Amino acid sequence: GENVEQHPSTLSVQEGDSAVIKCTYSDSASNYFPWYKQELGKRPQLIIDIRSNVGEKKDQRIAVTLNKTAKHFSLHITETQPEDSAVYFCAASASSASKIIFGSGTRLSIRP
Amino acid sequence: DTGVSQDPRHKITKRGQNVTFRCDPISEHNRLYWYRQTLGQGPEFLTYFQNEAQLEKSRLLSDRFSAERPKGSFSTLEIQRTEQGDSAMYLCASSWTATGTDTQYFGPGTRLTVL
Repeated sequence: GENVEQHPSTLSVQEGDSAVIKCTYSDSASNYFPWYKQELGKRPQLIIDIRSNVGEKKDQRIAVTLNKTAKHFSLHITETQPEDSAVYFCAASASSASKIIFGSGTRLSIRP
Repeated sequence: DTGVSQDPRHKITKRGQNVTFRCDPISEHNRLYWYRQTLGQGPEFLTYFQNEAQLEKSRLLSDRFSAERPKGSFSTLEIQRTEQGDSAMYLCASSWTATGTDTQYFGPGTRLTVL
């Protein structure tokens, strides 16, 4: 069935360094890949998304890359700041308007 | 506040009781989704509606769970004869399909604790 695997489960980086989170998906029909950030006790919030007709997308310090052949996609955060500390979820959907399959999350901690 | 809202935010109940949660989507969003999130995991899809029609239900949604969206606006999720395994955060999300930007916006969730 549909599955999204996410690594690592925890990540600690020095403030100012970069963080990379990687995901793989199983459903070859997936064509929409959102990333959500969830702070403790808060709702998941979309931070960036990418569609299958695009290989890379960037928004300020955040970038996502997609390799459809390998069914891999990644989140890159540069110049990390304390407020980047949160749990990040990758996700995949076969249609941008239908159900989303989430990864298990990466807890990112930024060390001062 | 024009975001997705959910009520109640917390619910504590005893095993065997019935509970009902409400979700109010962003105004004019035609799709509404329910997810369940347990500690340390990503949200798991339960069901979704387009307007008032329930289009898909997950196998996770047992016969004890029922969801409605009678007028295509707010939705309710009812759990009958609650079990301790039902303890989780129940998240609602909504989206608008016509514009091509089908981002799902999440509500704050209802945290259910079954004793």
